[in-house]
Amino acid sequence: GAVVSQHPSWVICKSGTSVKIECRSLDFQATTMFWYRQFPKQSLMLMATSNEGSKATYEQGVEKDKFLINHASLTLSTLTVTSAHPEDSSFYICSAYKAGAAYNEQFFGPGTRLTVL
Amino acid sequence: AQSVAQPEDQVNVAEGNPLTVKCTYSVSGNPYLFWYVQYPNRGLQFLLKYITGDNLVKGSYGFEAEFNKSQTSFHLKKPSALVSDSALYFCAVRDMYSSASKIIFGSGTRLSIRP
Repeated sequence: GAVVSQHPSWVICKSGTSVKIECRSLDFQATTMFWYRQFPKQSLMLMATSNEGSKATYEQGVEKDKFLINHASLTLSTLTVTSAHPEDSSFYICSAYKAGAAYNEQFFGPGTRLTVL
Repeated sequence: AQSVAQPEDQVNVAEGNPLTVKCTYSVSGNPYLFWYVQYPNRGLQFLLKYITGDNLVKGSYGFEAEFNKSQTSFHLKKPSALVSDSALYFCAVRDMYSSASKIIFGSGTRLSIRP
């Protein structure tokens, strides 16, 4: 168990459009999900912590109005990149914290590659 | 501040030879340490973790890591490398000041195994 999926796996969009990325925990309930972005050959940078039923907590320097996060259910969190620009092109990865899992283990999705033209 | 450091951007090893990917940590209190592997255009896969207990932790795909408190290190090792082990490896530590189970990642080490 403990599978996390992301949809889409890749997306190409025009500058100025909005893109929604879904993160789902398939076989467990996730009260907390995390969103990361990863630039080529770099590490994962935490963008925000998404809590079911409440507002997301954003890391310093991350624009909450640009990266909208919604965690409407215990199995789904969405990240919407609003008015995307080429500099938003990146690999976005979500993870889910499984309640009751040993020692705060996070389970990662396969990632979504966003390319903004 | 809590952190993990991976001093090597890249490690090159011949197939069949032992490999080591280095990681050092800086945390207050007892650390929760992790190793993850990332293949191209994929998410992270969990390899192993150290919470407490034996200093030698065994994980997936034949990997193991040794927790060394005096040297504040958690190096990843494998006795005999495979070409398929070529990937990006991340050391990570749980953010002990976070109530939200946040993880802090190292900068990553690219492991390249030559045939």
